Amino acid sequence: EVQLVESGGGLAQPGGSLRLSCVGYRFTFSSYSMNWVRQAPGKGLEWVSYISSGNTKDYADSVKGRFTISRDNAKNSLYLQMNSLRAEDTAVYYCARDRIAYSSSCDSFGFWGQGTMVIVSS
Amino acid sequence: DIQMTQSPSTLSASTGDRVTITCRASQSIGSWLAWYQQKPGKAPDLLIYKASTLETGVPSRFSGSGSGTEFTLTISSLQPDDFATYYCQQYYTYSTFGQGTKVEMK
Repeated sequence: EVQLVESGGGLAQPGGSLRLSCVGYRFTFSSYSMNWVRQAPGKGLEWVSYISSGNTKDYADSVKGRFTISRDNAKNSLYLQMNSLRAEDTAVYYCARDRIAYSSSCDSFGFWGQGTMVIVSS
Repeated sequence: DIQMTQSPSTLSASTGDRVTITCRASQSIGSWLAWYQQKPGKAPDLLIYKASTLETGVPSRFSGSGSGTEFTLTISSLQPDDFATYYCQQYYTYSTFGQGTKVEMK
């Protein structure tokens, strides 16, 4: 069964940095677009970033210029480098896989990881 | 950016009720809409994609309809396992989620 496992969350100071990782298991990682989605405590889902199988990237306006998405297909891994962190970045961060392979743009999210918590506080 | 608006924000219902949730897009998104179910402390689960296609393994009491800017998720007979929060998502232009609809016990 497909599995996504996130790591790297924790406590960071305002203005600080964190790097999240997500490892994919039991599917051909390189064939799928991947996404980061976050959920602040008690709030709804917010799409954060996308990277296609061909390395096209995009970001929500709220994180553009501060967060960088990347992937290493040899390691079946997705990353989110988060810089200039703010209190409003506090959330559970999920990695999510597109439902189908080689989608031409963002697709529905067929599989999700369990999430990793990021807390930004002094 | 495409905005997604769900209604209602909270819905009180009983087991066996027919439940309908609405999602409206700020511009036409064709049929590029998905619905998710999320339970507390868990990641969301995909229920429906392309507005009306049931994901594998999802019970047939769930159905979706609509196109353009107006979409609905219907649960034909609410079961105890269905009390949860539901989100719509547009993926016409990258991705945006609605604010969620919590289905709670009356």
